[in-house]
Parts: sequence; C-alpha cells; structure tokens
Amino acid sequence: EDKVVQSPLSLVVHEGDTVTLNCSYEVTNFRSLLWYKQEKKAPTFLFMLTSSGIEKKSGRLSSILDKKELSSILNITATQTGDSAIYLCAALNAGNNRKLIWGLGTSLAVNP
Amino acid sequence: GAVVSQHPSRVICKSGTSVKIECRSLDFQATTMFWYRQFPKQSLMLMATSNEGSKATYEQGVEKDKFLINHASLTLSTLTVTSAHPEDSSFYICSAWTSGRETQYFGPGTRLLVL
Repeated sequence: EDKVVQSPLSLVVHEGDTVTLNCSYEVTNFRSLLWYKQEKKAPTFLFMLTSSGIEKKSGRLSSILDKKELSSILNITATQTGDSAIYLCAALNAGNNRKLIWGLGTSLAVNP
Repeated sequence: GAVVSQHPSRVICKSGTSVKIECRSLDFQATTMFWYRQFPKQSLMLMATSNEGSKATYEQGVEKDKFLINHASLTLSTLTVTSAHPEDSSFYICSAWTSGRETQYFGPGTRLLVL
C-alpha cells in the first residue's frame, strides 16, 4: 500500500533557527513529490519535485528530492513566527488518477 | 499560481437540510477536481475524485448518496451534503488539477457547521 511518512510530527523552535522537515515515501509508479503549507485555511502549494538532487528554492525555503532514499527534505532558514504552520508532504502516483498520497504533516511552531 | 475559489467559505445549517459547496478554477481548466475533508488537527482525507463530464470516484467509506458531486464543466465542481447531520460538520476543501503544472491547487475551504 502506498504511504508517505513525515517527521517529526511536531517541532517548536525559536525565531532565527533553521529547521529541516523530512518526508519519506513508498509509492508505486512514483511521479513527483509535493510540499504544501497549511495555516488556518486550506493548503498552499510550495514546491513540486520530480528530479532527484535538484534543489528548489523560494526565499528562505528550499527542498530537494532523493529518489534513491525515497525521501525529501524541506529546509527553512532564519525562521520567523509567520512560518508557524503545518507542512504537508504528498506523493503522486502517476497511475492513480492523479491522486496524492498524503503524509500526516509536521506542525511547526516558531516562538519569538 | 493557479487560483481556485470555493463558495461559501462558511455555512451553518440545521440538521436535515442540504448544503451545496462550489469549487471553481478561475484561471485554468481543471479536468480533475478533488474533494477533501479535514477534521481539527488531522490530515486531509480524500473523499472523491471528480472528472469533468463523468461520475465521481468515491473513496472507500464515503457515501456517494450523501455527498453528491457534480463536475459539469472544466471550471466548476459542486459538492452537495444531503440531509446533513452534526457529524458532517467539518472543513471541506476542494482542489483542482492542472496538467500544465502537474499539481493540485487548493481552494480556501468551506467550514460547515450542522446544528
């Protein structure tokens, strides 16, 4: 059965810290891995990763996929209180009508 | 990025009534839309996959007669919660698939409270 596991489940840091969130997957016909940020409303799209070893960057956030290890990391540098959210990772099974397999998320709290 | 809207954003209704939630892709055509449900502090739960012009595919355990999905056009899908009960109270989120970017974009969600 396809599955996505995120770790840690919860993280509390101070402003200015750097955090690394992990996502591992076991998905048949794996096509891509997506990261989303969810605050009080619906998830907002951060990154889509298809190729191994190519870092994607957006401001203080970056992410990379390792297809050999079946995993991805999301890095946030110089964290701010506005980064507090749940970060969701999802994997796309190319053969499954575009359904995403979701992890449970990492809840990040950044304290001032 | 691609924009997806949902309406209404919040609805309170009495038990036994039906509620319709609309999901629109505003600047792209979505051949596939997804409906999710999310309980507090839990992850997203996929309810159904909706392809334009065909019947929705429901996930195991989701009652298709209770959660009616219509995907009449490439930019609009609707979810109707029929004969709503308090246990249907939840956060309902739609997403639309854009093949150009091979990803799902989410609507802002609808909070349903059934009294």
